[in-house]
Amino acid sequence: EVQLVESGGGLVQSGGSLRLSCAASGFTFSNYAMHWVRQGPGKGLEYVSTISSNGGTTYHANSVKGRFTTSRDNSKNILYLQMGSLRVEDMAVYYCARRSGQVGPFDIWGQGTMVTVSS
Amino acid sequence: DIQMTQSPSSLSASVGDRVIITCRASENIDSHLNWYQQKPGKAPRLLIYAASSLQSGVPSRFSGSGSGKDFTLAISSLQPEDFATYYCQQSDSTPRTFGQGTKVEIK
Repeated sequence: EVQLVESGGGLVQSGGSLRLSCAASGFTFSNYAMHWVRQGPGKGLEYVSTISSNGGTTYHANSVKGRFTTSRDNSKNILYLQMGSLRVEDMAVYYCARRSGQVGPFDIWGQGTMVTVSS
Repeated sequence: DIQMTQSPSSLSASVGDRVIITCRASENIDSHLNWYQQKPGKAPRLLIYAASSLQSGVPSRFSGSGSGKDFTLAISSLQPEDFATYYCQQSDSTPRTFGQGTKVEIK
């Protein structure tokens, strides 16, 4: 079964750090670009980041640039999101998603992991 | 960044109704437009990709159309399990921006 499973969410104080993981299974992870998307409480979907299939290229939304880093370990089939200098507005459910093709959709999503930032 | 604008933000409809949701891009995105359905507490689910292609396993009452800047998602006969929030997303360029969502509620 093709699957993405996030972990690492939790409660952190404003200014703190957290690392999210996304474990992939059921497909050749190294063939796919991957993304992080977040959803604040009662809000819509917000793009966070992209990483290319080999990890050589990343892109981060302006709202997290310089504070978040996306990486991957293709030998372990794991995607990471290192989050630093966390703010209350970063509080959200964070989803990892697989992109199908260069201009394709996000066809597989994880179940999400909640990040709570306290002030 | 490409801005995606959906309308309406919410709508009330009855089972059996035909529902139309529109999505407009701030610039030409060809047919690089996707639609997702999200139910409360769940991850988004891909419905339509490349503007009009139905994802495997998605009922045929869902359809998508459009190209360039203007797109629509149609549900031909609304079913109880279709009450959810729907998002469009452009996949023409990075960042892959989403519309603000359309919540479909029971009338």
